[in-house]
Amino acid sequence: GAVVSQHPSRVICKSGTSVKIECRSLDFQATTMFWYRQFPKQSLMLMATSNEGSKATYEQGVEKDKFLINHASLTLSTLTVTSAHPEDSSFYICSASWAGNTEAFFGQGTRLTVV
Amino acid sequence: DAKTTQPNSMESNEEEPVHLPCNHSTISGTDYIHWYRQLPSQGPEYVIHGLTSNVNNRMASLAIAEDRKSSTLILHRATLRDAAVYYCILRAVGTASKLTFGTGTRLQVTL
Repeated sequence: GAVVSQHPSRVICKSGTSVKIECRSLDFQATTMFWYRQFPKQSLMLMATSNEGSKATYEQGVEKDKFLINHASLTLSTLTVTSAHPEDSSFYICSASWAGNTEAFFGQGTRLTVV
Repeated sequence: DAKTTQPNSMESNEEEPVHLPCNHSTISGTDYIHWYRQLPSQGPEYVIHGLTSNVNNRMASLAIAEDRKSSTLILHRATLRDAAVYYCILRAVGTASKLTFGTGTRLQVTL
């Protein structure tokens, strides 16, 4: 299957700083990428959907100014957590897909810890 | 999005078959039934999907009820590496439509 690579896999940052997470589709062009957040013992929660070259669509309750998503190319999307706080500590997962396919491909996830 | 209902957890012995049920009584005619699984500290992994007919692949089989209101993921011989959370998700036909995850079934596999 297609490969989606997420970087970094783990990051620890200080409260108030910003952190950028990259999601790359390695062997296909991802017209759409999804960003999820997962707290311990809970399911994945969709944060936003990004289409290449256009603004991301955020789910209700997700602050677009805090979670900046950029999908500037067909192989790269980034999620920037701005002014991170301890409550933003979570497992962030990206997913990529292309027009017409029925299967979604996921990155390995990024564990963010804000101290 | 149409909702799915799965048991919170199931247990299986290694080398035994496992049947993971999923109810989706409000499924629409254009919804595919997808199964993904998530191993600890990893992103989800595609398992199988189907629309109306039963499906088989190297990982599992998917049995879909005739009325499509329920389905069962079948792992023919569970191994310790199959211990994961299994998600049954309905996904509308369309261009890269989003996946909405429910609570899933946590499968434990014991020796």
